[in-house]
Amino acid sequence: GDSVTQMEGPVTLSEEAFLTINCTYTATGYPSLFWYVQYPGEGLQLLLKATKADDKGSNKGFEATYRKETTSFHLEKGSVQVSDSAVYFCALSDPYNQGGKLIFGQGTELSVKP
Amino acid sequence: DVKVTQSSRYLVKRTGEKVFLECVQDMDHENMFWYRQDPGLGLRLIYFSYDVKMKEKGDIPEGYSVSREKKERFSLILESASTNQTSMYLCASSTRTGNTEAFFGQGTRLTVV
Repeated sequence: GDSVTQMEGPVTLSEEAFLTINCTYTATGYPSLFWYVQYPGEGLQLLLKATKADDKGSNKGFEATYRKETTSFHLEKGSVQVSDSAVYFCALSDPYNQGGKLIFGQGTELSVKP
Repeated sequence: DVKVTQSSRYLVKRTGEKVFLECVQDMDHENMFWYRQDPGLGLRLIYFSYDVKMKEKGDIPEGYSVSREKKERFSLILESASTNQTSMYLCASSTRTGNTEAFFGQGTRLTVV
């Protein structure tokens, strides 16, 4: 079945450093791809999404590009802040093959130090 | 502005008890999900419902069942709670196409003693 694989954490960065969190997926159809974020003590919320190949999702300085040729959706941010410390989840949903089932990766914990 | 509500934030139950976790959404979403979240394992799908009375098993359905009698409500049932079901349980809902944002509840931290 469909699956999502993320780079393992935790990731520790200094403020203003460049962030990349790798995400690759396996899907038989044409999924939509998502990044969700979970701040400490809170529920998950959508960070950004892309619904077709070559789309770029962006929000709050984060961005990710849907690469069908490499089945990837890596999350990037040019300059992280302490407030970005959270757990980041890559996810996919394939409405035509899985009826909209939302499948997550294992999550990557990010810690940003001042 | 509440969209997905889980009935309890914290629950403590005894081994062997039957446990009900309730989830209600107010967005008229077709899809609803139950996940459990454990450190290092991410979010694992327990069950998925795409319509009233319709359900699909996720990756880890053993020991769980679900009920969806009304569109807005999706219940997770632990038939006989065990200590290895101690976890954070998250409910979510989304539109039928699944290519829009899914909304999550705040989670229920269940401890089975």
